[in-house]
Amino acid sequence: RKEVEQDPGPFNVPEGATVAFNCTYSNSASQSFFWYRQDCRKEPKLLMSVYSSGNEDGRFTAQLNRASQYISLLIRDSKLSDSATYLCVVNRGYSSASKIIFGSGTRLSIRP
Amino acid sequence: SAVISQKPSRDICQRGTSLTIQCQVDSQVTMMFWYRQQPGQSLTLIATANQGSEATYESGFVIDKFPISRPNLTFSTLTVSNMSPEDSSIYLCSVAGPGTYEQYFGPGTRLTVT
Repeated sequence: RKEVEQDPGPFNVPEGATVAFNCTYSNSASQSFFWYRQDCRKEPKLLMSVYSSGNEDGRFTAQLNRASQYISLLIRDSKLSDSATYLCVVNRGYSSASKIIFGSGTRLSIRP
Repeated sequence: SAVISQKPSRDICQRGTSLTIQCQVDSQVTMMFWYRQQPGQSLTLIATANQGSEATYESGFVIDKFPISRPNLTFSTLTVSNMSPEDSSIYLCSVAGPGTYEQYFGPGTRLTVT
């Protein structure tokens, strides 16, 4: 089983739609969770950290469910510029300082 | 976040040769990381590079193949040695600040081995 699993997509949705991605992780000791965005032929960029209570940044909402070991990302009112691959990222836990594991990514395509 | 640059941005190399990739950060950072992203795949950690100590390699990666230097808190190099076409990939460096798991990435080096 992969340490971090994501639905690879692709998700193809119309502009203005709401889209949600889920991600599951296997290491129950993981403490930090992130969503990164990667545009084609570019480096990954931190989109948002995910906090226990859930957090929101504009049109983006991240949720964490520790009991079920999954993380979600919700994008509301999607824009054409949201088209990218979204990477779920989890740290490895206490004994692996600062090491993070990337999911395989979910491709999102927003159509006009 | 730190500004990170990498050189070269891309290269085409012949099998059996070696390429050294440079990573420069505009501020001092404790931890630097090297990743590989093969075509259509996600990122895989190669090694963690801390200043003043040997790099720590992940399973499947060895120092003879991917020697790393970290001479100071703003610079690191990764060498891909005795290259084969299977080494064709994007190589990225990243940095993390103290006490955080957030990482920020350089623009990557696109390597093609023929």
